[in-house]
Amino acid sequence: DTGVSQDPRHKITKRGQNVTFRCDPISEHNRLYWYRQTLGQGPEFLTYFQNEAQLEKSRLLSDRFSAERPKGSFSTLEIQRTEQGDSAMYLCASSWDRGRNEQYFGPGTRLTVT
Amino acid sequence: AQSVTQPDIHITVSEGASLELRCNYSYGATPYLFWYVQSPGQGLQLLLKYFSGDTLVQGIKGFEAEFKRSQSSFNLRKPSVHWSDAAEYFCAVEGNAGNMLTFGGGTRLMVKP
Repeated sequence: DTGVSQDPRHKITKRGQNVTFRCDPISEHNRLYWYRQTLGQGPEFLTYFQNEAQLEKSRLLSDRFSAERPKGSFSTLEIQRTEQGDSAMYLCASSWDRGRNEQYFGPGTRLTVT
Repeated sequence: AQSVTQPDIHITVSEGASLELRCNYSYGATPYLFWYVQSPGQGLQLLLKYFSGDTLVQGIKGFEAEFKRSQSSFNLRKPSVHWSDAAEYFCAVEGNAGNMLTFGGGTRLMVKP
């Protein structure tokens, strides 16, 4: 068990550019979550997958955001036409869906939009 | 919809002193509650969780938390704080839809030598 990994750890981009983040969950976990955390705040839920199906999306996930989990393993989160308000830490978590199981978080991707 | 309130944004304690971080939740059904800790620039590490049963739960690093339904609270405690406990602490409640978590705003703990 190597834990949840995220890549890149840091990303600086100019406003209007597209960015893509990757998350690799713990291998046996079939649920994967994305959260966004702005400075001084708690994480906010964005979306989650059960296997390859995206089952829930927050109203925070505007149409500039898209997430995929094509083979039910790793996931990508893409932000198109980035805005300064997108600057945040993007956290990925995974869990097992049997019974009540806690979510394990990755180290996050820090996005800075200049 | 569920919500979590952490009334204390910052707390400073002396090393060796006891600690209590407050958490109040709002949720219509039986809550599933968590405390996570986040060190600067890092992801979240689970300290402890409450699903059911004994209302006093033990976690890692010497932390414990007590679920009080009548007060809608889940306060985190530690009898003796170490300098390495300085971090940000988040309380969270699990919702119905896919087990998404709703977090409080966090409490930043500073430890004085």
